[in-house]
Amino acid sequence: GAGVSQSPSNKVTEKGKDVELRCDPISGHTALYWYRQRLGQGLEFLIYFQGNSAPDKSGLPSDRFSAERTGESVSTLTIQRTQQEDSAVYLCASSINRVSEQFFGPGTRLTVL
Amino acid sequence: QQPVQSPQAVILREGEDAVINCSSSKALYSVHWYRQKHGEAPVFLMILLKGGEQKGHEKISASFNEKKQQSSLYLTASQLSYSGTYFCGTERLLKTGTASKLTFGTGTRLQVTL
Repeated sequence: GAGVSQSPSNKVTEKGKDVELRCDPISGHTALYWYRQRLGQGLEFLIYFQGNSAPDKSGLPSDRFSAERTGESVSTLTIQRTQQEDSAVYLCASSINRVSEQFFGPGTRLTVL
Repeated sequence: QQPVQSPQAVILREGEDAVINCSSSKALYSVHWYRQKHGEAPVFLMILLKGGEQKGHEKISASFNEKKQQSSLYLTASQLSYSGTYFCGTERLLKTGTASKLTFGTGTRLQVTL
């Protein structure tokens, strides 16, 4: 009965380094989303996976951002050559299908020095 | 095409009522409401599908007026535990008859005091 988990919970990195964030969705959830939330701001959509369909990457802010998902399980969000503006909490959410309730993970707080 | 929420912030005394609005310039397929407490992940409150339905969740209810492309969240007899940021998320109705991805508004900060 575990919920959505994310790792690491906190990540501090130096500008220019690559980082990889992981999301473990709830078992059986076909839809998986990544969001970015800057301090005091709203939820910024990044990417969406639905089953075996091609992911919706329309929210990725630059080609430094990429994400993968293996089947209906784990997803990783990779940020290459991190910039200070990438500092934010990265939230992952999963749902049974697209129109259902989204269950959010606790997030990964990324700090780029 | 992010939905617009109003007000941006509201302070209530315990027991008072509040209304949070969410509006879009485009035809909507659905409206989702979430609450996020400080330092925590957003938590689902309810989904409203086109059809003008109204839903309730404890003393929190919502309506969806698809003609006005607007949803309102009603918090009655507010409790301290209602404090947090409320986000609406909208799915637009596309010309194909399908729905777009969920896009969240910028949030409404609600603080309930004694």
